[in-house]
Amino acid sequence: DTGVSQDPRHKITKRGQNVTFRCDPISEHNRLYWYRQTLGQGPEFLTYFQNEAQLEKSRLLSDRFSAERPKGSFSTLEIQRTEQGDSAMYLCASGGTALSAEQFFGPGTRLTVL
Amino acid sequence: AQSVTQPDIHITVSEGASLELRCNYSYGATPYLFWYVQSPGQGLQLLLKYFSGDTLVQGIKGFEAEFKRSQSSFNLRKPSVHWSDAAEYFCAVGHPEYGNKLVFGAGTILRVKS
Repeated sequence: DTGVSQDPRHKITKRGQNVTFRCDPISEHNRLYWYRQTLGQGPEFLTYFQNEAQLEKSRLLSDRFSAERPKGSFSTLEIQRTEQGDSAMYLCASGGTALSAEQFFGPGTRLTVL
Repeated sequence: AQSVTQPDIHITVSEGASLELRCNYSYGATPYLFWYVQSPGQGLQLLLKYFSGDTLVQGIKGFEAEFKRSQSSFNLRKPSVHWSDAAEYFCAVGHPEYGNKLVFGAGTILRVKS
């Protein structure tokens, strides 16, 4: 257990529905990262926060995706109008500071879009 | 472009045999280097990391890795594999200059035969 939790662990939804995932990082960490992992691939970076500020978004993150980190604590990742191609494992990682590159990953949320 | 190559998709070794998993990277600067392990349905666990200094680094579970700048490589080794080491292994690179976001390889699936 890395101390990073994600909820839900599994989500099955129908195409066109909206879904929201939550990540609770290690409490003293000010950086939070989202990655997406599809079958047979390594995780791909989506976005990251330092405290409540979203500092970077990948081009993978279409306008149907939005992430927030209110008050610099937990984060949510929302996908609107889901598509079958959104089916993947969504991983959250917690990092300490700008100079501390080490990241601790949560167990992930597996999304299946039917 | 930043990329990580793990040339071996699958590797099978006998229990008790030695192991080497290959990792090559392409990056703008000398990156920070990581090896993560992922068991089925689980998140990623950090095995070891290299930031600077001694190019041979020790990690958890008896793993070690060697950074070779001239070859842009960071290969993972273990002298004697245990059946519990069967999992998928990911090499990753990052750097504070790029927000510490990690770029992952596609992974190597390790099978251990008894």
